[in-house]
Amino acid sequence: EIVLTQSPGTLSLSPGERATLSCRASQSVSSSYLAWYQQKPGQAPRLLIYGASSRATGIPDRFSGSGSGTDFTLTISRLEPEDCAVYYCQQYGSSPWTFGQGTKVEIK
Amino acid sequence: QITLKESGPTLVKPTQTLTLTCSFSGFSLSTSGVGVGWIRQPPGKALEWLALIYWDDDKRYSPSLKSRLTITQDTSKNQVVLTMTNMDPVDTATYYCAHRLDWNFFDYWGQGTLVTVSS
Repeated sequence: EIVLTQSPGTLSLSPGERATLSCRASQSVSSSYLAWYQQKPGQAPRLLIYGASSRATGIPDRFSGSGSGTDFTLTISRLEPEDCAVYYCQQYGSSPWTFGQGTKVEIK
Repeated sequence: QITLKESGPTLVKPTQTLTLTCSFSGFSLSTSGVGVGWIRQPPGKALEWLALIYWDDDKRYSPSLKSRLTITQDTSKNQVVLTMTNMDPVDTATYYCAHRLDWNFFDYWGQGTLVTVSS
């Protein structure tokens, strides 16, 4: 089973700042099969990124993903108040599909 | 548009069997590449994938829960059913069903249903 470790646990930034979230896998994720989700309190997760760097439909271009192998990054270029949420990575390269423990983004 | 909605009991007793239904619209589970998965989230904790059923009735389960899970589909009703046996308080969580297409990430999610396990 591939274990995903996300860092930092919490990120506190001001509006307009750049957020960089990390997801590290315990073994290589095949074909960059890595997705990112955003979850706001009381809501279901929302798909942001798949294939490590492809934005899902309707996702603003301030969200971008990068990485390969064992190291992946989600970048929010200019934070907006509505980006306050927990962000999860998920690998789907090998079963069982696994999620990271999440990074909470707080807006100052 | 694609929508999914979970239904089932909000409270179950320890050792009981949980049955959850995912009712969906906007797609067919008979279409090649389509699948429906179940994911759960204990209060304040991370997401955990449980099971996935594909258009061809192939099924995948989380190894840690495989002995307790069964996923089935009723194509005529546009429903997917998950059963989990021998429920325990640690199974208290919000249970989500979600849609997948071609790859095993989830692009549409239901609103989730909170299941509490308590005597």
